Amino acid sequence: AQSVTQLDSQVPVFEEAPVELRCNYSSSVSVYLFWYVQYPNQGLQLLLKYLSGSTLVKGINGFEAEFNKSQTSFHLRKPSVHISDTAEYFCAVSDRANFNKFYFGSGTKLNVKP
Amino acid sequence: ETGVTQTPRHLVMGMTNKKSLKCEQHLGHNAMYWYKQSAKKPLELMFVYNFKEQTENNSVPSRFSPECPNSSHLFLHLHTLQPEDSALYLCASSQAPGRGASSYNEQFFGPGTRLTVL
Repeated sequence: AQSVTQLDSQVPVFEEAPVELRCNYSSSVSVYLFWYVQYPNQGLQLLLKYLSGSTLVKGINGFEAEFNKSQTSFHLRKPSVHISDTAEYFCAVSDRANFNKFYFGSGTKLNVKP
Repeated sequence: ETGVTQTPRHLVMGMTNKKSLKCEQHLGHNAMYWYKQSAKKPLELMFVYNFKEQTENNSVPSRFSPECPNSSHLFLHLHTLQPEDSALYLCASSQAPGRGASSYNEQFFGPGTRLTVL
């Protein structure tokens, strides 16, 4: 089974500062990678996904992530955050042999301060 | 109504009660999922249904009983729960997986049911 590690449970950052949320996964086999965002009292919304091709993936709301196969990482970045980015962010992995079985990290709470 | 809806949004029940959670998707998908989200733990996949057939049961206790009468509806029947079952239960849907990256389909999530077991 896969495992997904999000190293930071909470990340405080000031508005307009850059942010990086870290994600590492365990498997060396081919995988699909995702970042989801969860706003308070809501379900998860897909931010971006890596399926194949370019290792730099751009998503919604100005977020991007880079797939690094050698380091088994998929870190999420945004060059300038807004108050509205305050939410919990989840990294997820599925392996290509079992597409609809997702493994999630424990989440990182991003707290953007004015 | 759009996307994936879940009812009720909040539920408080005693350990001897029987209740059901409902999920409905309006996206034309044919795969549906139940997840459990507990504080400070990774999201746990509980059940997967593809084309109304259960294809995944992730070692879930029998006090949780899923039902998928058609591709748009998914239920989770609850009975004799324990306090540690208190969590946010999320439903998701997607197209059933195909072959190759180009046929991959993301999962769309509902807002969840916040369950408290007393």
